[in-house]
Amino acid sequence: ETGVTQSPTHLIKTRGQQVTLRCSSQSGHNTVSWYQQALGQGPQFIFQYYREEENGRGNFPPRFSGLQFPNYSSELNVNALELDDSALYLCASSLRGTNTEAFFGQGTRLTVV
Amino acid sequence: SQQGEEDPQALSIQEGENATMNCSYKTSINNLQWYRQNSGRGLVHLILIRSNEREKHSGRLRVTLDTSKKSSSLLITASRAADTASYFCATPLTINDYKLSFGAGTTVTVRA
Repeated sequence: ETGVTQSPTHLIKTRGQQVTLRCSSQSGHNTVSWYQQALGQGPQFIFQYYREEENGRGNFPPRFSGLQFPNYSSELNVNALELDDSALYLCASSLRGTNTEAFFGQGTRLTVV
Repeated sequence: SQQGEEDPQALSIQEGENATMNCSYKTSINNLQWYRQNSGRGLVHLILIRSNEREKHSGRLRVTLDTSKKSSSLLITASRAADTASYFCATPLTINDYKLSFGAGTTVTVRA
């Protein structure tokens, strides 16, 4: 167990709707990153938060947005859901610094119908 | 864009045999991490190897890193059915980055 928890574990949404996914970081970690993993592929970096500010973004449109709270927990919001947004969404927490491990939660399986 | 690529894509071995998979990456790195994923669940961190290290061990796992060839290998010795999973290598997007780039993974099946 990594201490990184994500909720919910599964979610079904309709195209065009909005969704919020949540992540609680491992104790002592100050950096949260979100990844999208489509079936049969490796995780793709969405964005990272450090001290409540976005600290880098992957190749994802603005309808993917996030928040980090003072307790280092985080949310991923996706607006105007598309069928291709169906994926496993993974949250990773780490301590900012060189050569530190990133620990992942169990993920949220999002299905858009 | 993906930085790392694992090879082979899939591997099937008998219980007790060793499993070796490789990872190649494109740019200079400070470290490389290996992860395991069971049946589409979360990623489990296995090992981190720094760029100044050539080999690292953790239980039945042995990881090597060759920065001149921009490649790494993960060896699982005396495999067990519970080792059946997908294995990913992850490298920083840029050398001082904290964001990770993953390959498509190697799917390992251990037959009883």
